[in-house]
Amino acid sequence: EAGVVQSPRYKIIEKKQPVAFWCNPISGHNTLYWYLQNLGQGPELLIRYENEEAVDDSQLPKDRFSAERLKGVDSTLKIQPAELGDSAVYLCASSFGEVSRTPSFGPGTRLTVT
Amino acid sequence: KQEVTQIPAALSVPEGENLVLNCSFTDSAIYNLQWFRQDPGKGLTSLLLIQSSQREQTSGRLNASLDKSSGRSTLYIAASQPGDSATYLCAVSGATNKLIFGTGTLLAVQP
Repeated sequence: EAGVVQSPRYKIIEKKQPVAFWCNPISGHNTLYWYLQNLGQGPELLIRYENEEAVDDSQLPKDRFSAERLKGVDSTLKIQPAELGDSAVYLCASSFGEVSRTPSFGPGTRLTVT
Repeated sequence: KQEVTQIPAALSVPEGENLVLNCSFTDSAIYNLQWFRQDPGKGLTSLLLIQSSQREQTSGRLNASLDKSSGRSTLYIAASQPGDSATYLCAVSGATNKLIFGTGTLLAVQP
């Protein structure tokens, strides 16, 4: 089965510019996660979707971050405007079922803000 | 608030050695604990999952133990190989079904 697909894999932007990341989960996986991983740290959950509903977005900085999963399949995470501190790896993951199961992770998007 | 700590932060061993990675968590009310492997530029791969009612899980050369009451888990790797070089992350899941990750241990196995 195809894994979680993320694009782009790398992105370099100047501060104050907008940026968007795309994720296509494993077919049939109704739960989708976006994680932020800073250098030398473990991933931290930004938002979790059950189908098209965001059920946990408590860690998402809503002043500049937004996410959508309109049809309950693929998802987009946006930052506007980007700040230097947003430089990190953004990981997408998916799983099947509402109860937490071991998620499958994508390769991530490495963002560098200059 | 659940906090997960991993020791050591980095470890270098010669090929063939057995090694132990440590993970500790502050809140013992967990549903399960997982160990992941992360290779550079790649996502996380699940290695072992231990339910809160279990004491250990084994997969090949890997053995993970869980002592929920003391808030500790260990990942034992037998007969290490250069291909085992990666970052190893532990994560706990609690009532919110949210995975809380540790900071990871960077393992280098020297040939």
